[in-house]
Amino acid sequence: GAGVSQSPSNKVTEKGKDVELRCDPISGHTALYWYRQSLGQGLEFLIYFQGNSAPDKSGLPSDRFSAERTGGSVSTLTIQRTQQEDSAVYLCASSLAGGRSYEQYFGPGTRLTVT
Amino acid sequence: DAKTTQPNSMESNEEEPVHLPCNHSTISGTDYIHWYRQLPSQGPEYVIHGLTSNVNNRMASLAIAEDRKSSTLILHRATLRDAAVYYCILRGGFMYSGGGADGLTFGKGTHLIIQP
Repeated sequence: GAGVSQSPSNKVTEKGKDVELRCDPISGHTALYWYRQSLGQGLEFLIYFQGNSAPDKSGLPSDRFSAERTGGSVSTLTIQRTQQEDSAVYLCASSLAGGRSYEQYFGPGTRLTVT
Repeated sequence: DAKTTQPNSMESNEEEPVHLPCNHSTISGTDYIHWYRQLPSQGPEYVIHGLTSNVNNRMASLAIAEDRKSSTLILHRATLRDAAVYYCILRGGFMYSGGGADGLTFGKGTHLIIQP
C-alpha cells in the first residue's frame, strides 16, 4: 500500500517568509509525528498527533512553528518568519497507534533551505 | 528511554550475512527493542522490533539475548542497498505516555559499509 508522502520534496525560501509543509500519513494510522533533521544531526522531535486528542507540541522550538491535522489524516507544518537556522529536512512519520510498541513509518522528508 | 551502545561502524561483503550488535544493559522489563536504519539522503526506515523472543521479518532477524541486555540485528544476505546507518533504540511499551515521550531519539548508530 501507499506509504507516508510529503510535499514539497524541496523548498527554498527567503528569510522572513512563511512556509507550509504537508504530510499524508498511511491510511488508518492514528498517530502522526513531525521531526526535523539538520545536516549530520540526529532526529529532533517537533510535534505529535494522536487521534482526536490535543497535539503534543512539546518539541516545537519556537512559537513560529505550528501544525494542524485535519480530519485525523493530512497534517500541515507551518513555519512563520523563517530563519536560516530553520534549514533542515523535515520528516513526517505515522504509526498505527500511539505508544512505544508500535513502529513508525517515515516519509521521504521535505528539505527546507532558508536563504 | 534506556541507553544503547553500538559500534560506530562495521564493514561486510555483499551477499554475506551481517550481525549488528547492540548493548542495552539497563533495559527494563517493559522496553521494546526497535531497529531503524537510514540510507543516505533518505528518511529513517523501520526494520524490526521485539520484546523478548527472537523475531523474523522480510528484512531481517532480531536475536535477543536471554537476559535482554543485548541484541543482534541480522541481515541474512547483505546487498549494496543495505549500506546505511542502523539505529538500535529502546522504547518503553508498558505505559503509553504520548507525544514527545513516544518520539524517536536516535543515537549515533552503526554505519554499515557493504563492499561489492
